[in-house]
Amino acid sequence: AQSVSQHNHHVILSEAASLELGCNYSYGGTVNLFWYVQYPGQHLQLLLKYFSGDPLVKGIKGFEAEFIKSKFSFNLRKPSVQWSDTAEYFCAVNFNDYKLSFGAGTTVTVRA
Amino acid sequence: DADVTQTPRNRITKTGKRIMLECSQTKGHDRMYWYRQDPGLGLRLIYYSFDVKDINKGEISDGYSVSRQAQAKFSLSLESAIPNQTALYFCATSDLSVSGLYNEQFFGPGTRLTVL
Repeated sequence: AQSVSQHNHHVILSEAASLELGCNYSYGGTVNLFWYVQYPGQHLQLLLKYFSGDPLVKGIKGFEAEFIKSKFSFNLRKPSVQWSDTAEYFCAVNFNDYKLSFGAGTTVTVRA
Repeated sequence: DADVTQTPRNRITKTGKRIMLECSQTKGHDRMYWYRQDPGLGLRLIYYSFDVKDINKGEISDGYSVSRQAQAKFSLSLESAIPNQTALYFCATSDLSVSGLYNEQFFGPGTRLTVL
C-alpha cells in the first residue's frame, strides 16, 4: 500500500541550528511531492513542491528539499533555524492519483 | 480577503447532534476536499469533489456526508456527531496545472470541532 512516513515526531532545536526532517514514501511510480507547514493556530501553507526536474528544490523562508528517487525520500532542510520556524511540518505525496497522502507530521520547536 | 474560508472556526456540540461545516473559496478551483487532522495521524481525507456533480468518498467517510452546492461551496455534515469525531477539520481546494498534472492544494483556516 502507498504510504508516507515522517521519521521524527518532535524535534527540539536551538536558534541557528540546522534542521533536517525526513520523509519517505512507498511507491515505485511517478510521484509529486510537497512539504507543508502549519504555524501554531494557523492553516497549512505550502513550503515547496517537486514535480520534475532538478531534485533539489528551494522553497520559501530558506527551506529546501532534496528528492532522492532511489531512496524514495524527500527530506526537508534549513541551514539555520529561527524561533519563528516553530511549527508542525507535513510531508505530502501525490501518488499519481486523485489525492494527497500526508505523513503524520513533525513538530519542530526552536528555542531562543 | 482569504481565498478559502471556513465557518464556524470553533464549535462545541453534544453527541447525537447534527453539525454542518461550511467551506467557501474564491480561487475559482474546481476541486475541493475535506480533511480531518488528529494528533500523530496527520491529515486524512474524508471526501473530495472534482466538480459540482462529482462527489467521492475518501479514506474515512463513515459518519460524514457532503454537499457541493456550487463550484465555490462545499459543506461537510456530521449527521449524528460522536466524541471520536472531535478533531480539526480542514477544507482545501486545487486545480490542475497547465500541463494537466496534479497541483498543490490550498487550505482553509480550519474548524475545531469538539463533540461532548
